[in-house]
Formats: sequence, structure tokens, C-alpha cells
Amino acid sequence: AQSVTQLGSHVSVSEGALVLLRCNYSSSVPPYLFWYVQYPNQGLQLLLKYTSAATLVKGINGFEAEFKKSETSFHLTKPSAHMSDAAEYFCAVKPVTGGGNKLTFGTGTQLKVEL
Amino acid sequence: DTAVSQTPKYLVTQMGNDKSIKCEQNLGHDTMYWYKQDSKKFLKIMFSYNNKELIINETVPNRFSPKSPDKAHLNLHINSLELGDSAVYFCASSQDDSYYEQYFGPGTRLTVT
Repeated sequence: AQSVTQLGSHVSVSEGALVLLRCNYSSSVPPYLFWYVQYPNQGLQLLLKYTSAATLVKGINGFEAEFKKSETSFHLTKPSAHMSDAAEYFCAVKPVTGGGNKLTFGTGTQLKVEL
Repeated sequence: DTAVSQTPKYLVTQMGNDKSIKCEQNLGHDTMYWYKQDSKKFLKIMFSYNNKELIINETVPNRFSPKSPDKAHLNLHINSLELGDSAVYFCASSQDDSYYEQYFGPGTRLTVT
């Protein structure tokens, strides 16, 4: 079964600093990978996705992620944090074939941005 | 217009009651989902329907029964509510069951007392 591990349930950065949220996947075959963001009391919004095309994926709000097969990783980065980036971030995995469209989520990382 | 909407947003009820949560999407998608997010924010899929047909049914108590009257609606009915059912329930939709991008509703916070 596929799974994702998000290292660090809480990450705190200063405004303007680099944001790095870690995600590692476990799968015998490279899956599709996603990052979602959840603002307080809201639903999830797709930030970006990797679907076997370019390994460096750019998303909304200045976020990007790089798929590294050798490291089984899909870390999320943003060069300069903004206060509005404070939210919960979820990494998710989906099998390329089969399994319907079942997303398996990581446990989430709470990003705090400080002045 | 809200793409995926859920009602109610908040639901407080007592143990043993039966309640329903409604979901509607106006995106023209064929596939809809129910997810449960627990108090630790862990998200897990419960059900998925494609064009009114059940395609994903995770290990969920029989007290939970999804119903899809048409492909734009997926309701969740819960019988004999228990304390452990307290969670946020999210509805989502995607173009079809092979298309990967899912759009989420705002969630329904269910509190069972």
C-alpha cells in the first residue's frame, strides 16, 4: 500500500524566510503526488501536483515542489514566507493505475509564520 | 458560485441520533467523495461514487451510508451516532474516477455529545 510521511508536524519560520515542508512517499512504483493547503476552518485547496511530467512543479502562491525518485521525496518549498502562508499543509499520494482516485494523505504539517 | 458546497457547516447532536450531511457540486464532475478528518487533522477517505455508483468503500461502520441521488449530489447519512463520530467531514469531487485533481468542500464539523 502507498503512504506518505510528513516530517515535522509543526514548522515555524520568520516572514521572508525560506519555507521547506518535507514529504517522503512509500511506493514500489512512483505515484502521483500532491500538496494541499488547509486554512483555518476551511476545506483543502490544491497547491500543486506531480503527475509524471516535469519533476519540478510550480504551484499557486509561489510554492513549488521537486519530485526526487532517488530520495522518494516531494518536498514543498517557497523562497519567502508570507504571513498569509500560515496554514496546515498536506502531502498526498495516488497510485498511477488502479485504486480508483483514492488519495492517501500524510498527517499534515502546521506552518507558523512569525514577524 | 461555490464549486462544492456542504450543509450544514456545523452539526451538534446527541449520541444515538441519526443525522445527514448533504453535498452538492456544480462542476459537472462524475466522481464524488467523503473524507473524515479527526481531531488530529488526519484525513481519510470513506467513500467514493462515480456517476452514482459506489467505487470506494473503506472500512467504515455500517452506520454510515452514502447516497447519491444524482451525480451532482452525494449525501452522508449516519445512524446511531457515537462520540467517536465527532470529526470534520469533507466532501470532494473530481472530473472522473481516474482524474486526479479533487476539489474539496468547506467541511461539516460534527460534534456528538
